[in-house]
Amino acid sequence: NAGVTQTPKFRVLKTGQSMTLLCAQDMNHEYMYWYRQDPGMGLRLIHYSVGEGTTAKGEVPDGYNVSRLKKQNFLLGLESAAPSQTSVYFCASRAGQVISYEQYFGPGTRLTVT
Amino acid sequence: AQKVTQAQTEISVVEKEDVTLDCVYETRDTTYYLFWYKQPPSGELVFLIRRNSFDEQNEISGRYSWNFQKSTSSFNFTITASQVVDSAVYFCALSISNYQLIWGAGTKLIIKP
Repeated sequence: NAGVTQTPKFRVLKTGQSMTLLCAQDMNHEYMYWYRQDPGMGLRLIHYSVGEGTTAKGEVPDGYNVSRLKKQNFLLGLESAAPSQTSVYFCASRAGQVISYEQYFGPGTRLTVT
Repeated sequence: AQKVTQAQTEISVVEKEDVTLDCVYETRDTTYYLFWYKQPPSGELVFLIRRNSFDEQNEISGRYSWNFQKSTSSFNFTITASQVVDSAVYFCALSISNYQLIWGAGTKLIIKP
């Protein structure tokens, strides 16, 4: 099993460019999440999805959009990248709503915006 | 309000020393779970343990142990006889009756040889 995969692993963007990060999971999980991790700030939730076709805002959604057209995929889009979006992005999935379920993480995408 | 506090930003110890990472949480829910994750220098996040709010027994797994105390809202993590491979950022997280995990800011643990 691949678990949770993220594409790409690294990316450098110029201010104003756009890009899409792809997250895929093969565990048939209902819930998926996008986080960003910045030094000293832990993990901050950007957007999440509780099922195919649904998305919702997390703690820091501004400047990002998401889509979940297929259950196994969760896409994170940056329409006009800004230097403040330089970060490491993690995707995670979780089997469902049961609170004992842990989240499974992808390897991360390191994004630099110049 | 739901909150997880890891007051220790960074801890540095010499190999073979014991070290405890603190985690204090806040929630009004009576049913919840607490988690610890490890993030080694390679960057991935690895699940270590979960504990439910009704089980206050300590847990031991090899050199790792966890102490859950509802009276002080704490779920501390101890590494006995630390090793260089234990160097990582450790996160504590709280799961309540919604979709999220509430994350602490993490503690960076440095084990010096």
